[in-house]
Amino acid sequence: DGGITQSPKYLFRKEGQNVTLSCEQNLNHDAMYWYRQDPGQGLRLIYYSQIVNDFQKGDIAEGYSVSREKKESFPLTVTSAQKNPTAFYLCASIARYAGGTEAFFGQGTRLTVV
Amino acid sequence: DQQVKQNSPSLSVQEGRISILNCDYTNSMFDYFLWYKKYPAEGPTFLISISSIKDKNEDGRFTVFLNKSAKHLSLHIVPSQPGDSAVYFCAASVSNTGKLIFGQGTTLQVKP
Repeated sequence: DGGITQSPKYLFRKEGQNVTLSCEQNLNHDAMYWYRQDPGQGLRLIYYSQIVNDFQKGDIAEGYSVSREKKESFPLTVTSAQKNPTAFYLCASIARYAGGTEAFFGQGTRLTVV
Repeated sequence: DQQVKQNSPSLSVQEGRISILNCDYTNSMFDYFLWYKKYPAEGPTFLISISSIKDKNEDGRFTVFLNKSAKHLSLHIVPSQPGDSAVYFCAASVSNTGKLIFGQGTTLQVKP
């Protein structure tokens, strides 16, 4: 069953701690993305990677870091520098074909700072 | 700078009627547009897309219209069903940059 898996579904972090959100896909997609959803703000792009060992900052990259050592995996680390990390985080992988682009999303991780 | 805007945060329609969700964009380099549906605490699911070389794409009850001169696209759902109640996001991309930008979303409620 092909798809994109995020874990864990719920995550609690103490202030000042780093935490890493997992995203794995077996769709053989080159491109992967991390978005953050806050109420009334839609999906905001944090980081994206178009190919292994390469990634670019999105619109709200401050306080986050990523790595792309394998095609299947694109983990997101929320660092202590992120001032307001409580949010719903969504990972996506992108299929590109002759007609255009389609994004496939994971089920999301809800991060809460306690 | 919000490059993709959905100015209506919510929309309520009666079952069987048409739902029209709107989206405006500012970047004329966007060449591909998508609509997604999202339920709470789940990832968005793809609905329908349109390339900038077209002005209309239809898939069953869903039709997307693109007006490039106005930098505006809309999603029509006909007839609307209660199961269509969800948050709808439009998204736009510039193919050669790989960046995919989403709007803020519109919450659609279809009343039985």
